[in-house]
Amino acid sequence: DTAVSQTPKYLVTQMGNDKSIKCEQNLGHDTMYWYKQDSKKFLKIMFSYNNKELIINETVPNRFSPKSPDKAHLNLHINSLELGDSAVYFCASTLGGARNEQFFGPGTRLTVL
Amino acid sequence: GQNIDQPTEMTATEGAIVQINCTYQTSGFNGLFWYQQHAGEAPTFLSYNVLDGLEEKGRFSSFLSRSKGYSYLLLKELQMKDSASYLCAVNRDDKIIFGKGTRLHILP
Repeated sequence: DTAVSQTPKYLVTQMGNDKSIKCEQNLGHDTMYWYKQDSKKFLKIMFSYNNKELIINETVPNRFSPKSPDKAHLNLHINSLELGDSAVYFCASTLGGARNEQFFGPGTRLTVL
Repeated sequence: GQNIDQPTEMTATEGAIVQINCTYQTSGFNGLFWYQQHAGEAPTFLSYNVLDGLEEKGRFSSFLSRSKGYSYLLLKELQMKDSASYLCAVNRDDKIIFGKGTRLHILP
């Protein structure tokens, strides 16, 4: 299936732990994104990569570190997890940047206890 | 949502028509998207307007007025499956900024 996939779908962890979320797209897109959707359903961009290069880095704590090993993958590593990090994290991809339709992954629901 | 405003919730009846409005700051504007998001699912693309006017796609239409910083999404012949959140998103200087979404409830 051609799609944007994320793992894991659910992640429950303790405060202070370090965790990673992985994203892969097989659509041949060149731009990938990480979004955070909080409990109020507000979808906010965190990072954007174009051909493995970071192009958008919003005001996100430096505990969050994205990594793009190739243009089909964009992973998100989070250090020292805090309660406020609990949210749904969506990966998305597009061809040609922000002027085209974004395809979203299914989301990763992170719960920090 | 960086000055992207849309109503928080709306209710409409099955079979009716509903219009969801979105206003935004016009600086750096490069286009406006509408996405649909069902509860517990990912957003899916509905429309993209760059030029002024109305774009129709089946039961859904999207309108844009760049000078007024205004868009609307029009849903016709509402079905129960249209119950979802509708997200207005602006391409501002090639960065996508989402509004907070409008949760649409459809009554039978």
